[in-house]
Amino acid sequence: AQSVSQHNHHVILSEAASLELGCNYSYGGTVNLFWYVQYPGQHLQLLLKYFSGDPLVKGIKGFEAEFIKSKFSFNLRKPSVQWSDTAEYFCAVNPQTTSGTYKYIFGTGTRLKVLA
Amino acid sequence: GAVVSQHPSRVICKSGTSVKIECRSLDFQATTMFWYRQFPKQSLMLMATSNEGSKATYEQGVEKDKFLINHASLTLSTLTVTSAHPEDSSFYICSARLASETQYFGPGTRLLVL
Repeated sequence: AQSVSQHNHHVILSEAASLELGCNYSYGGTVNLFWYVQYPGQHLQLLLKYFSGDPLVKGIKGFEAEFIKSKFSFNLRKPSVQWSDTAEYFCAVNPQTTSGTYKYIFGTGTRLKVLA
Repeated sequence: GAVVSQHPSRVICKSGTSVKIECRSLDFQATTMFWYRQFPKQSLMLMATSNEGSKATYEQGVEKDKFLINHASLTLSTLTVTSAHPEDSSFYICSARLASETQYFGPGTRLLVL
């Protein structure tokens, strides 16, 4: 079965520290990849997405992610976090199946807490 | 752009009653909308895919007679939880698919069944 793993469930960082959140998926075919962020009390917002092309994608708020096909990974990074980055981060995968079925498979999420 | 709203944001109901949740795409037309359920400290679990003008496609294990989905127009999908029980208490989130492969999410509806 297709699945998405986010290994870090909780991450605590100090402001200005660098961030890397892992995301691995299990699907051998073509995928579209997404990172969403959910700030406390708010809805999921799209941070960035990868469909094709340059495997290093830049998103909003200084976030970026790198797609490494050989590792089935799409890790999220930010060089210097801010207190306002405290949120829950979800990786989502949209497998491009031969049946044409469209859906997202979400990872379990990573709760990030940034200490001021 | 790409704003999705949900109503109500919070609802409390008695066991055995039915609750309807609305999901609207405010500034775009969505041929496909999705309904998710999010348990505390867990990820989003897809319940069903809703296509305008056709029957919804339910994920395995989701009771279609329990969770009725209607997608009456390109901007509105509704989820009705019928004969709600305490175990149906959860956070329900809808999303709408834009022309690309991207989904935009609503703010969610917290349902508490007493």
